[in-house]
Parts: sequence; structure tokens; C-alpha cells
Amino acid sequence: EPEVTQTPSHQVTQMGQEVILRCVPISNHLYFYWYRQILGQKVEFLVSFYNNEISEKSEIFDDQFSVERPDGSNFTLKIRSTKLEDSAMYFCASSRTGAGANVLTFGAGSRLTVL
Amino acid sequence: LAKTTQPISMDSYEGQEVNITCSHNNIATNDYITWYQQFPSQGPRFIIQGYKTKVTNEVASLFIPADRKSSTLSLPRVSLSDTAVYYCLVGDIGTGAGTALIFGKGTTLSVSS
Repeated sequence: EPEVTQTPSHQVTQMGQEVILRCVPISNHLYFYWYRQILGQKVEFLVSFYNNEISEKSEIFDDQFSVERPDGSNFTLKIRSTKLEDSAMYFCASSRTGAGANVLTFGAGSRLTVL
Repeated sequence: LAKTTQPISMDSYEGQEVNITCSHNNIATNDYITWYQQFPSQGPRFIIQGYKTKVTNEVASLFIPADRKSSTLSLPRVSLSDTAVYYCLVGDIGTGAGTALIFGKGTTLSVSS
């Protein structure tokens, strides 16, 4: 069964450092997403990406965040200057078509700890 | 996107059937109903999706009444490994770019032996 792959599985960083989280979506999927989940809280939408541009973003996705598809396979989330409150599990997801009726496949997540 | 309401938590015992109901009073004509399951420290995983009546797969059944204002996820004969958070999401077909799926708090199902 095809899967979404995320690296690293766990990253520890100092406050103010830049972090890049990487994702390899399923190969024939066209829509890509980042979600995050702070420990004990709900899964929060960050951003969706289609055709090499951001389709939607939430209030959480401020200027400190950026996404990129640098090549044909990777999809990255960059946090420019991490804050303590960025500590969370970050999930990448992909889907064949636009969300809603279509099924998102999620990766296993990248746990980010900001000290 | 239609707002959904589901119980915060449910308890069950191994071998029982569990039914989790989700209310979505403002569901639109184009909206589908999708359920995801999430285990601790893992990403959500698709369980089942439907538009109307009943859908069944190897994992669960989804019952949707004619007015579509609610839906019920049915898990037959649960086991300890079914302990997870279950999310009900409602979204439209979407022609493309970004109809973001918004997760609620979900229902935490605890299965005991």
C-alpha cells in the first residue's frame, strides 16, 4: 500500500532556529497538506498546496512558515525561527484530488521539540 | 464546510459493537461524510466514506439516514486495538485547489477487556 513518508521522525531544536520538515507524498497524488497536532489537542490544518502554489492556509500558517516542492517528489515545511509553542507533531498528507470527498493519506508525522 | 458534533468519549468492551454518531445538520448537497481513525502519535487514517444510505468495508459500516443530517460509524466486535480517536468530517466533492479538511476533537473510544 502506498504511503506518505516523513523525515525526520523526531527533531529537537533550540528556540529561534530554522527547521525543515520533509515529506514524500504518494507519487500520483497532486494535492499536499501540512497539519500539526500539539500534544493532547486536535489535529490542526496548516496549509494545502496544489500546482506549485498554496491553495489555502490557516491563521496558524503565518510568515514564519513556508512550504515548497523543490523537486518532483519532496514537499517541505520550513519554520523560519522556531518558538516554544511550535512544539508539536507535524503531519504531511496527500490526496489524488482536492480534499473533501477525497481521501487524505497521512504520514506518520515528525515530532518537533523546541527548547 | 458543515460543522460536525460527536461525543467526546465512549467506552466499550472487547467483542461488543460500537456505534459512534456524528451530527452534521448543515450538510450541503455536495458533501460527503468521511471517518478517520487516529492512534496515539500516529497520523489519522481513513476508515470509510459515504454519501447516503449504507456503506460497508472490511473495517466498519457507515449508516447515513435519508436527511443526511447525521451519520453513524459502526465498528463490529471491537478489540483492544480499536482504542483510538475517531473523527467525523464532512466536505464537498471539490473541483480542486484546497477544500481543507478541518478536524474536530473527535471521539475517544476506549476498549477494555
